[in-house]
Amino acid sequence: EIVLTQSPATLSLSPGERATLSCRASQSVSSYLAWYQQKPGQAPRLLIYDASNRATGIPARFSGSGSGTDFTLTISSLEPEDFAVYYCQQRSNWPSYTFGQGTKLEIK
Amino acid sequence: QVQLVESGGGVVQPGGSLRLSCAASGFTFSSYGMHWVRQAPGKGLEWVAFIRYDGSNKYYADSVKGRFTISRDNSKNTLYLQMNSLRAEDTAVYYCAKDLSVGRSYGDYFDYWGQGTLVTVSS
Repeated sequence: EIVLTQSPATLSLSPGERATLSCRASQSVSSYLAWYQQKPGQAPRLLIYDASNRATGIPARFSGSGSGTDFTLTISSLEPEDFAVYYCQQRSNWPSYTFGQGTKLEIK
Repeated sequence: QVQLVESGGGVVQPGGSLRLSCAASGFTFSSYGMHWVRQAPGKGLEWVAFIRYDGSNKYYADSVKGRFTISRDNSKNTLYLQMNSLRAEDTAVYYCAKDLSVGRSYGDYFDYWGQGTLVTVSS
């Protein structure tokens, strides 16, 4: 099983700041990685797929990068609605999908 | 717009059964693979199962293989999850999710999700 490790577990920032979230895979997943955002009481929302492609309707302040084992989700300037939990997910090892444990982005 | 509405959750005793449904609208249901993904209370996400757009291929997480069955009725735009031999560790919110890509034989990412239905396994 491919294990995805996200860091940090919690990130405390202020609106307007830049957020950098990390996801590391236990073995290469090529570019088969996605990022999801989840707010309390809501379903997850797809933000980025194939490491760097923004999903439909996702603002340009969200960007993804990386390949192989190291990936980054960057939010260029935080809006109040961006504070949530973020998960990475790989589909390289089909059908054994795995998710990271999540990074909570909280208001400082 | 894409809508996915789950139903069928509830409280069930260990060893019991439950069938979840997911009513889909706003897209050509019969052209997309569909998934179930679950989330235990306060925990992360776990993929459960995938079914091909025409129902011919099905895949399961090891944790549910042999106990859960995914199916679909394209004439009713509805996805199902039959859950048997339920255990305490199956307690979770169950989401149905649409596959990102049209007409694939295997799964892609999850681009639309329902609001989820809570399954509680407890005596």
